Amino acid sequence: DTGVSQDPRHKITKRGQNVTFRCDPISEHNRLYWYRQTLGQGPEFLTYFQNEAQLEKSRLLSDRFSAERPKGSFSTLEIQRTEQGDSAMYLCASSIENSPLHFGNGTRLTVT
Amino acid sequence: AQKVTQAQTEISVVEKEDVTLDCVYETRDTTYYLFWYKQPPSGELVFLIRRNSFDEQNEISGRYSWNFQKSTSSFNFTITASQVVDSAVYFCALGGSGGSNYKLTFGKGTLLTVNP
Repeated sequence: DTGVSQDPRHKITKRGQNVTFRCDPISEHNRLYWYRQTLGQGPEFLTYFQNEAQLEKSRLLSDRFSAERPKGSFSTLEIQRTEQGDSAMYLCASSIENSPLHFGNGTRLTVT
Repeated sequence: AQKVTQAQTEISVVEKEDVTLDCVYETRDTTYYLFWYKQPPSGELVFLIRRNSFDEQNEISGRYSWNFQKSTSSFNFTITASQVVDSAVYFCALGGSGGSNYKLTFGKGTLLTVNP
């Protein structure tokens, strides 16, 4: 069990640029989740995949955000035309069915 | 709507003291899960416990214990004989409707500092 892996750990970008984050879940975990955590707050749910199907998206996920999990393994989260308000920690988690979520270390995004 | 309140923003104790972290939740669901996660400075959320709404038995795991009281919608977490390594932000979370745990609602967290 190597844990949930996220890349990069840190990303600094200028406003208006596009960014993409990658998440590798624990192998054999069929469910994958993205959460966002801003400073001083708890994580907030963004979206959820069961295998390759994206089953739910939060209202927090504006049309500038898109997530994919093309082969039911790793996932990417892309933010287009970044805004300063997108600065946050983006957390990925995975689970087998309804087992507890295992989170990665997150990708910290800073938009300047 | 679901809500989790962790009234204690920060707690500071001296090593070996016992400390209780409070969690109060709101939900209209009859079936739900409650969780505690630990977030050390490294940033990774570490799962500590999941409790089903039908199971009100208290649980003890080493120095950790949890007190679930449905009547007061509380799920408090006690660390006995705290250690410096317990220093972290602790989050209480509520699972989604129908007992699913994929869409968690987190509290704002309690920063616990254990001083030597």
